[in-house]
Amino acid sequence: NAGVTQTPKFRVLKTGQSMTLLCAQDMNHEYMYWYRQDPGMGLRLIHYSVGEGTTAKGEVPDGYNVSRLKKQNFLLGLESAAPSQTSVYFCASSSTGAYSQETQYFGPGTRLLVL
Amino acid sequence: LAKTTQPISMDSYEGQEVNITCSHNNIATNDYITWYQQFPSQGPRFIIQGYKTKVTNEVASLFIPADRKSSTLSLPRVSLSDTAVYYCLVGDMETGGFKTIFGAGTRLFVKA
Repeated sequence: NAGVTQTPKFRVLKTGQSMTLLCAQDMNHEYMYWYRQDPGMGLRLIHYSVGEGTTAKGEVPDGYNVSRLKKQNFLLGLESAAPSQTSVYFCASSSTGAYSQETQYFGPGTRLLVL
Repeated sequence: LAKTTQPISMDSYEGQEVNITCSHNNIATNDYITWYQQFPSQGPRFIIQGYKTKVTNEVASLFIPADRKSSTLSLPRVSLSDTAVYYCLVGDMETGGFKTIFGAGTRLFVKA
């Protein structure tokens, strides 16, 4: 049981390049989330999904797209990377959507540097 | 939006008890209070969750007064390995309960 895994662990991009971050979970969770964390800051929600085939915008969705074609996978795409997207990206999953009792399980993070 | 307020940082020494208080004046009736711990270069990890009164597990205790407008995370006898950022979260019912609001957290530094 690996929990939540993220690929890649680290990536360097040039401005304007595109890439996809992959998140996978093996806990059969319905809900998945993408966050970004900038130095010294808390986590900010980018997009989330409440089930296979569904996605929704979070707090800071601009410049990102997501897809949830399979229940276990949640992809985060950057179509045209910008230096402002340099950050650490965390994926998380949870078994319920009722936030009051929600416990999120986080992946190890992907460090992205955009030059 | 439901919002939490925590101290930005705290220092402690090994073996001491550490109490981190979180203010959440706009907590909704059905909201639980959840605390996460984050070590450098790692994702946050769930520590404890509660609704009211006191909850205790093998890692920490959570004290919640009757009005639920604040909560206190208590870490008994901290060690150097407890140096981390601690986040307090409550539900964001205004946006349907699916959005998680992480503030800046409290940076706890444990000294030898």
